[in-house]
Amino acid sequence: KQEVTQIPAALSVPEGENLVLNCSFTDSAIYNLQWFRQDPGKGLTSLLLIQSSQREQTSGRLNASLDKSSGRSTLYIAASQPGDSATYLCAVASGAGSYQLTFGKGTKLSVIP
Amino acid sequence: GAVVSQHPSRVICKSGTSVKIECRSLDFQATTMFWYRQFPKQSLMLMATSNEGSKATYEQGVEKDKFLINHASLTLSTLTVTSAHPEDSSFYICSARSGGGSVEQFFGPGTRLTVL
Repeated sequence: KQEVTQIPAALSVPEGENLVLNCSFTDSAIYNLQWFRQDPGKGLTSLLLIQSSQREQTSGRLNASLDKSSGRSTLYIAASQPGDSATYLCAVASGAGSYQLTFGKGTKLSVIP
Repeated sequence: GAVVSQHPSRVICKSGTSVKIECRSLDFQATTMFWYRQFPKQSLMLMATSNEGSKATYEQGVEKDKFLINHASLTLSTLTVTSAHPEDSSFYICSARSGGGSVEQFFGPGTRLTVL
């Protein structure tokens, strides 16, 4: 059974800092890994999706890497802004046929102005 | 593209009543839809997977008679919480996948259910 762990559970940084969020998963047989953002009481916003054959994806100030063999992914946020404050969820797609997503518990990020 | 809507966004009901939540794919046909539940400060937990025209597959520990899922068309799935109790209060999120080799899921905005 796939398990996804995110460290740290919470992170507080001053505005402008670069930061890294970590995600690890137990079963390396994945189809893809996705990073989401969730604001309080809201749904999910997809940030980046990395296919199992890829090593990284970039979108603006965000960069996500994937090391499938070691079961790890990182989300790098450059020049953090208060608007980046949210919970960031990592999810891996695995399981034959249904491609189920298994989510981590998330990292709650607070960017202090 | 790839927009998924949910209705209602928020519902409050009395204990013992049934509540229906709709999930629609607005601009694509969803061969598979997923229903998740999220308790406060917890992550999303998959409840069930439904394929259009067939019975849903429920995850271990999810009561199929309590959480009725219907996926009667390629753009609509419904989740009915029957005889709701306060412990069913949660955030319910659906997602949809188009199939045809695509594995990406597109998520709805969620429904906040509060059972009094």
